[in-house]
Amino acid sequence: AQSVTQPDIHITVSEGASLELRCNYSYGATPYLFWYVQSPGQGLQLLLKYFSGDTLVQGIKGFEAEFKRSQSSFNLRKPSVHWSDAAEYFCAVSNAGKSTFGDGTTLTVKP
Amino acid sequence: GAGVSQTPSNKVTEKGKYVELRCDPISGHTALYWYRQSLGQGPEFLIYFQGTGAADDSGLPNDRFFAVRPEGSVSTLKIQRTERGDSAVYLCASTTSESGEQFFGPGTRLTVL
Repeated sequence: AQSVTQPDIHITVSEGASLELRCNYSYGATPYLFWYVQSPGQGLQLLLKYFSGDTLVQGIKGFEAEFKRSQSSFNLRKPSVHWSDAAEYFCAVSNAGKSTFGDGTTLTVKP
Repeated sequence: GAGVSQTPSNKVTEKGKYVELRCDPISGHTALYWYRQSLGQGPEFLIYFQGTGAADDSGLPNDRFFAVRPEGSVSTLKIQRTERGDSAVYLCASTTSESGEQFFGPGTRLTVL
């Protein structure tokens, strides 16, 4: 069965600092991997996805993520965080359309 | 164009009552998904439709939960004899294919008193 672990429940960074959110997955084959962002009262918005090919994927809002098969990881990064990035972030793995999500990481941005 | 819409946005009901939650997917999207998100957790898969048929209903927690998509567009999630543990945000998503990006609606917040 597929599963996703986001080890950090809550992360606080200063505005302008770099960010890395961790995601580890368990899946038997090459996974489809996703990062979503959810702001309070809003739906999930896709930041980026990995299906195959280049293991470093670029997404919206300046985010990127790197797929590392050897570590079963798909960590999300951003070089300089903006106050508007404060939200909850979810990593997900998909199989035949059915997605399994981690429990999320809440990002707080300090001024 | 219009995104995925869900109605109602909020639903408060009493334990034991029946509720229906509606999802209008993006026009032309053949695949539709229902998820449930409890407080402090990520979305949990419930059921997936490809066209009118349920391709995977393995996430439905028990037989009190049922979903339909009779014309391959709008879907309704039905919960019988609601329990307090059913309180959650119910999310709907649609996509053009199994490997495509899922577009999520804003969700229906269900509160069972």
